[in-house]
Amino acid sequence: EIVLTQSPGTLSLSPGERATLSCRASQSVDSTYLAWYQQKPGQAPRLLIYGTSNRATGIPDRFSGSGSGTDFTLTISRLEPEDFAVYYCQQYDRPPPLFTFGPGTKVNIK
Amino acid sequence: QVQLQESGPGLVKPSGTLSLTCGVSGGSISSINWLSWVRQSPGKGLQWVGEISHSGNTNYNPSLKSRVTISLDRSKNQVSLKLNFVTAADTAVYYCAKEGDGGMTSFDRWGQGTLVTVSS
Repeated sequence: EIVLTQSPGTLSLSPGERATLSCRASQSVDSTYLAWYQQKPGQAPRLLIYGTSNRATGIPDRFSGSGSGTDFTLTISRLEPEDFAVYYCQQYDRPPPLFTFGPGTKVNIK
Repeated sequence: QVQLQESGPGLVKPSGTLSLTCGVSGGSISSINWLSWVRQSPGKGLQWVGEISHSGNTNYNPSLKSRVTISLDRSKNQVSLKLNFVTAADTAVYYCAKEGDGGMTSFDRWGQGTLVTVSS
């Protein structure tokens, strides 16, 4: 089973700053199968990025994803007040089919 | 746009069976290629439980496979989850989530989630 590690665990930044979140896999991940989600308290996760770098429907272009192999990055170019949340990476592997999530990075207002 | 809504008992006794349904509105369940159950607990974060296709094929997380059944009821436009022999470790918010089209292998629509507590 591929294990995902996210760093840092918490990121304290101010609105307008750039956020760089890391997701590292224990084995190489097909870049088609790497996704990022945003979750706010009391809400379900929301898909931001799929296939490493494709923004989901309605996601602003300040969110971007990159990476390959075992190292992937989510970048928020300029933090808006609504971006302070927890972010999870997720990968898919087979056989057998298995989705796994990272432990999350919390982006706090500094 | 398809909407998902989880429902079911919020409290289950240890060694009992957790039973939840995911109702699909705004479209036919047959239009969804794959629908998954994902749970979230403070101790384990987000964990994929399993999935079912529009034709009824299933895949389960190996760590839960012996206790999980996911089924489809097209007449009611819903998917069901059963988890047997539950313990406190199964306490979590349970979400149903639709997998994206075209082999996206990510979840582009989620229900609001339902909290299930395992306790006597």
